[in-house]
Parts: sequence; structure tokens; C-alpha cells
Amino acid sequence: AQKVTQAQTEISVVEKEDVTLDCVYETRDTTYYLFWYKQPPSGELVFLIRRNSFDEQNEISGRYSWNFQKSTSSFNFTITASQVVDSAVYFCALSEGDSSYKLIFGSGTRLLVRP
Amino acid sequence: GAGVSQSPRYKVAKRGQDVALRCDPISGHVSLFWYQQALGQGPEFLTYFQNEAQLDKSGLPSDRFFAERPEGSVSTLKIQRTQQEDSAVYLCASSLWQSGLSGNTIYFGEGSWLTVV
Repeated sequence: AQKVTQAQTEISVVEKEDVTLDCVYETRDTTYYLFWYKQPPSGELVFLIRRNSFDEQNEISGRYSWNFQKSTSSFNFTITASQVVDSAVYFCALSEGDSSYKLIFGSGTRLLVRP
Repeated sequence: GAGVSQSPRYKVAKRGQDVALRCDPISGHVSLFWYQQALGQGPEFLTYFQNEAQLDKSGLPSDRFFAERPEGSVSTLKIQRTQQEDSAVYLCASSLWQSGLSGNTIYFGEGSWLTVV
């Protein structure tokens, strides 16, 4: 069965600290996609990244970086030098090859960045 | 508009009342999705349209929930005889192509926050 686990319910850091949000997934498919979304207080889910199962290259985008490891079924997200504007709920999600239109979300990690 | 637009943003309904939630996807987007997000949880899939065809409604929780997209653009999610457990944020999303293709990003709206009292 497919599942996404975000074990960290809430994280609080001081501005400029680095923070890593964990995501562990379960799937039996060999073809799947992994996503991260940011949900600020306004409620809109903001797309951050999509990765397919055949691309294990890590990615960096500004202060954001992602570490995809198939061996541990993890897709972790790191924010370097965090800022107050990074405060939001972050969701990791999975979609599988047979029904890749259907996103399966984790329960989210609430990140609070204090000034 | 530039993004996915949903209305109303907030709705308070009395138990037993019918509600209709509207979604305007990004212009030209083929695929449209509805998700339900309970407080403190991740969104859960409800239904998927490709143009006007509803290809998957497996996530609709009961036959009180009905979605349509008659002209392949605007979509409406209708909930009949609302119950307290229907209280949630209903998120609409759209993507340019039929879903699943590589490079196909799904864009979400801000949601309609439904409270049933």
C-alpha cells in the first residue's frame, strides 16, 4: 500500500538556522513521483519540487535542497539559513505510475521560524 | 486569472443544508482535481476530471458528494445534506495536460473553508 510519513509534526527554529524536514514513503510501484508543497496561512498549496523515481540526483534551488534516497525510501527537504517567511506547513506527497494523477499526502510538518 | 480560483472562500452551513463550491482552473488546463483537507491533516483526493470527463471519483466519501465540470472548464463540488464531519477545506487543483505525464505540475487554489454547524 502507498503511504507517506512525515514524523515531525512541528519544528521551531531561530532565523538563519538550517532545518531538515523528513519524508519517508512506501510504494510497490517502480515508477512514482515525489513532491513537496508549502502551505502558508492563506491555505494555498505552493508547489516546490517534483522528482521521478528514476532520478536520484539531489537538487538545490537557492536556499532549498532535496535529498532523494531510494535505499531508505526517503525524500528529505532542507532549508538553509531559514527566514521568517519560511514559516508554513510543508507537505510531502507521492503519486504512483498507475494513478499518477492522485497525490497521496503526508500529514505535514509545521515549521515555525522565529526572528 | 493567473491561478486557480475558488469561491466561496469561507462557508458556514447548517447541518442538513446543501452547499456548492466553485473552482475556476487556470485557463487552458485539461486536468482538474478536488481534494479534502481536514484540520491538521494532509489533503485527500476526492475526484479527477480530464476536460469534462470525470475519470476517477473513488475518493468521494459518500453519495452526498457530487462534482461536475460540464464544459471542461469551471467545476462545482456539491455536498448535499451537509453533516458536521464534512467540515474541512476543499482544495481545487488543475494541471495543463492529462495527469501523470512527466513535467506536469499540479497547481492548487486557496481552498474553500467549509464549517458545518
